[in-house]
Amino acid sequence: GENVEQHPSTLSVQEGDSAVIKCTYSDSASNYFPWYKQELGKRPQLIIDIRSNVGEKKDQRIAVTLNKTAKHFSLHITETQPEDSAVYFCAASGFPGSQGNLIFGKGTKLSVKP
Amino acid sequence: NAGVTQTPKFRVLKTGQSMTLLCAQDMNHEYMYWYRQDPGMGLRLIHYSVGEGTTAKGEVPDGYNVSRLKKQNFLLGLESAAPSQTSVYFCASKSGTGGPNEQFFGPGTRLTVL
Repeated sequence: GENVEQHPSTLSVQEGDSAVIKCTYSDSASNYFPWYKQELGKRPQLIIDIRSNVGEKKDQRIAVTLNKTAKHFSLHITETQPEDSAVYFCAASGFPGSQGNLIFGKGTKLSVKP
Repeated sequence: NAGVTQTPKFRVLKTGQSMTLLCAQDMNHEYMYWYRQDPGMGLRLIHYSVGEGTTAKGEVPDGYNVSRLKKQNFLLGLESAAPSQTSVYFCASKSGTGGPNEQFFGPGTRLTVL
């Protein structure tokens, strides 16, 4: 089955700096890659997603890039702000037998210091 | 429009006790999911349902049962709780095949088994 590895597990940046979180997946048939943000004590919420027919997608300060050959995708946050502090999860879906189910990485705790 | 709701928010059980967690969604979604979230482990799928009357096993189904008697509700049961089932449980839902891929999460249930 699919396996998703996420790095780093913790990331600390200064306000205004950029943050990059990377994920690798094992099943080349996966075709949908969302990123979820979970603030402390809250529910996970989708912030951006990308399909395998697209190499990059941007939404204001966040972007996701996908390298299908290498089977990895990354979340980029520019001009970080304290409210970006949260746990971020990547996921993969679309592999055979998945029925659209998501396999999540273990999460990255991002801390943005003022 | 409440989205996805979960009952209860918190619960403490003794080993061997049983309980049922209720998930309800008012978005007319076909797919519903139960996840557990443990520190450093990300979100792991317990069971899921692709429509009313259907259920299927996810990554970590042992010790849990589910039912989807009504389209808007998805119940997660623990017949004989064990300390290893101490976790935060999240329910999620999404549209069926051909619809948007975003999974919408409930607020979570924090369960402690003593």
